[in-house]
Amino acid sequence: KNEVEQSPQNLTAQEGEFITINCSYSVGISALHWLQQHPGGGIVSLFMLSSGKKKHGRLIATINIQEKHSSLHITASHPRDSAVYICAVSYNTDKLIFGTGTRLQVFP
Amino acid sequence: NAGVMQNPRHLVRRRGQEARLRCSPMKGHSHVYWYRQLPEEGLKFMVYLQKENIIDESGMPKERFSAEFPKEGPSILRIQQVVRGDSAAYFCASSPVWGGVTDTQYFGPGTRLTVL
Repeated sequence: KNEVEQSPQNLTAQEGEFITINCSYSVGISALHWLQQHPGGGIVSLFMLSSGKKKHGRLIATINIQEKHSSLHITASHPRDSAVYICAVSYNTDKLIFGTGTRLQVFP
Repeated sequence: NAGVMQNPRHLVRRRGQEARLRCSPMKGHSHVYWYRQLPEEGLKFMVYLQKENIIDESGMPKERFSAEFPKEGPSILRIQQVVRGDSAAYFCASSPVWGGVTDTQYFGPGTRLTVL
């Protein structure tokens, strides 16, 4: 069993829809990261959080430490949001342990 | 401030050859991480380095793989006697350290290694 679980694995949406991607982890962490991998393969770090909630533009990330769960929300989704979204956790050593990713496709 | 640089972007090697992948971290970043993404699989940690020091190499295969981050110059991931199973995308990331705590990791564009 992967220590970082994401759901759903695949997600399709119509432009404008509200998107939620979930991430669960099994043991205590020092931080949780959300990453975006573009169709061309490049990886962008979206958020790093250890508690509460962060917002950047149309993206919102939340984490519940007690429930060991995080969500990434995209408001007013757009075709350019189509990508693989990856949840990762870090412990004291700072290396990242990755989930398997959620492939999002947003259609016009 | 230039981002994390990796070169080459694409590398083709025949079985048995050596592959050298380079990573230049962002200016001011002293911590480098290497990750591997096998075809149709997720990212996996390989090694974590600071200047002249390997901090964690728990994800490195026991043989043929080595990494360094010298005092001057880029970090190098070296794969000796490559095999087809080494074909993958290799990503480097760097992070700053604030007050002894590492921050967000910034990823390079990756090197796509193909072993014929």
